[in-house]
Amino acid sequence: GIQVEQSPPDLILQEGANSTLRCNFSDSVNNLQWFHQNPWGQLINLFYIPSGTKQNGRLSATTVATERYSLLYISSSQTTDSGVYFCAVERVAGTASKLTFGTGTRLQVTL
Amino acid sequence: DAMVIQNPRYQVTQFGKPVTLSCSQTLNHNVMYWYQQKSSQAPKLLFHYYDKDFNNEADTPDNFQSRRPNTSFCFLDIRSPGLGDAAMYLCATSREQVWGNQPQHFGDGTRLSIL
Repeated sequence: GIQVEQSPPDLILQEGANSTLRCNFSDSVNNLQWFHQNPWGQLINLFYIPSGTKQNGRLSATTVATERYSLLYISSSQTTDSGVYFCAVERVAGTASKLTFGTGTRLQVTL
Repeated sequence: DAMVIQNPRYQVTQFGKPVTLSCSQTLNHNVMYWYQQKSSQAPKLLFHYYDKDFNNEADTPDNFQSRRPNTSFCFLDIRSPGLGDAAMYLCATSREQVWGNQPQHFGDGTRLSIL
């Protein structure tokens, strides 16, 4: 099956710092989502981004589908950004989509 | 607000005692998914429904079953929970893919503990 690797696995930032998270995938995909899982386990959809660049406040994402990677940028990080960031690649199977999640990046933002 | 609702947020059961987790949605989506997420791991798809059509992943244990009585509700039944089934269970929905790119929308999850 498709392999999805994320880097770095762990990241500690001081509040206000910027960071870039990377997601590499091993095969062509229909789409890609970025999620933030907060310390309570809630999985929050950040971006749905098959290609190109999108921005939402302090977060932005870029997917280069031809080179099989995506990047998530976090600027001016805040303590509420702490948690685990997952990318998930989507392959359409009939009428449903199947998500394969990456290995995750655990982010801790400190004061 | 339209959403995906999972109840309860926390569930404790005894080893071998059947347990049912529930998911409801107000998005009127055709497709519903169940994922299992063990501690420090990524979510893993167990199965999905397209309307009443059930689709099991090849490596989902037989111990896991699901029911979808109507569009709004979907249940995950674990017939004889073992210690290895302790996990967060996530429900998600989406519109059918014939409409084009359709993201999955996740509930807040049910964290299952086995005594």
